[in-house]
Parts: sequence; C-alpha cells; structure tokens
Amino acid sequence: EVQLVESGGGLVQPGGSLRLSCAASGFTFSSYDMHWVRQATGKGLEWVSAIGTAGDTYYPGSVKGRFTISRENAKNSLYLQMNSLRAGDTAVYYCARYAGSEGAFDIWGQGTMVTVSS
Amino acid sequence: DIQMTQSPSSLSASVGDRVTITCRASQSISSYLNWYQQKPGKAPKLLIYAASSLQSGVPSRFSGSGSGTDFTLTISSLQPEDFATYYCQQSYSTITFGQGTRLEIK
Repeated sequence: EVQLVESGGGLVQPGGSLRLSCAASGFTFSSYDMHWVRQATGKGLEWVSAIGTAGDTYYPGSVKGRFTISRENAKNSLYLQMNSLRAGDTAVYYCARYAGSEGAFDIWGQGTMVTVSS
Repeated sequence: DIQMTQSPSSLSASVGDRVTITCRASQSISSYLNWYQQKPGKAPKLLIYAASSLQSGVPSRFSGSGSGTDFTLTISSLQPEDFATYYCQQSYSTITFGQGTRLEIK
C-alpha cells in the first residue's frame, strides 16, 4: 500500500524549533519530488516547501530562511526542520507526493499538528 | 505568485443536484490546474488533474474543464459522500491553492 506517515508535531514556544518526519512506503521514494503543505485550523491549504529527486529545494517567502526540507532516500524519509517558529506557523502539516506526470499531489499523509504558543 | 480565486466560497445543495465550482487564476496557467476534495479531519484527496483528467478511482460524476485562467469542477449528481470542501491548485509556477469551496447539505 502506498502510504505517507508524518510524525514529530507538538507544542513549541515562539522562537523554538521542531523537526517533522514523513515515512514513505509502497513506492520508489527516490523517484518522486516531495512537498510539505500546511493548513491552519479552519483555513485553506498553503504550500510550505518542496524537494526534488536531485535534492533541489524550494520555499515560499513566508518560510524561506526558517524552514529546511531534506530527504534521506535510503530511509524512505522526508524531513522538515522548522526554526524561529511563530504563532502563524501553527497548523496541520502534511507531506505529499508530487506526481510529475500529473502535475499534482496524488498521495498525502494524515498530517501532524504543530502548535506554536507560549 | 499566481492568485487562485474560487467561487462560491460556500454552497448548499441537495443529493442529486448538479453542482459547479469555479476557479479563476490571476494569470494564464494553461491546464496546470488540479482539484482536491477534503473532508473534516482528513487529508485532501486528488480528484482532477491537468484541468480535466479524472484521477484513478474517482467516480465519473466528477469532471473538470477549462484552460488559461478559468476552470470549473462539476459534480453531475451529488451523493451524500460528496459534501466536503473543494480546493483548486495550480502547478504552473510556485504552487498556490484556492481558498476553498465548502459544499453543504441543503
């Protein structure tokens, strides 16, 4: 079964750091671009970061310089290192597989909640 | 960044109704437009990719059309399990999503 499972969410103080993980199974992880997408409670979806198969990375301005996406193909794992966290980063974070042939996110994890609060 | 605007923001409809949701891009995105369905507490699910291609396993009552800046998602005959929030998303440039359309039972 093709699956993505996130972990690492929790409560962190403003200015703190957190590292999210996403474990992939059921497909050739190294062959796909992978992304993180977040959703604040009751709000819409916001793209957070992407990493290509060659390790190239991309970020929106809202997290650039604070978040770092990485991957470890030998472990079929995706990561998101989040530093200098703000209240506005509070959200459910999803990892998602990007199907290049379709240009869409075809597989999503169940999400992990990150709460930034003092 | 390309702005994606969905209309309406919310919609009430009945089982069996035909429903259309619109998504407009702030500039041309060719056919790089996808539609997702999200139910409360769940991850989004891909319904339509490349504006009009039905994702494997998605019922044929869902269809998409459009190109350039204007796109539609149509549900031909609403089923009880279709009441959810729908998002459009462009992959022409830096990924952006529409704000969502909440489809509620009338």
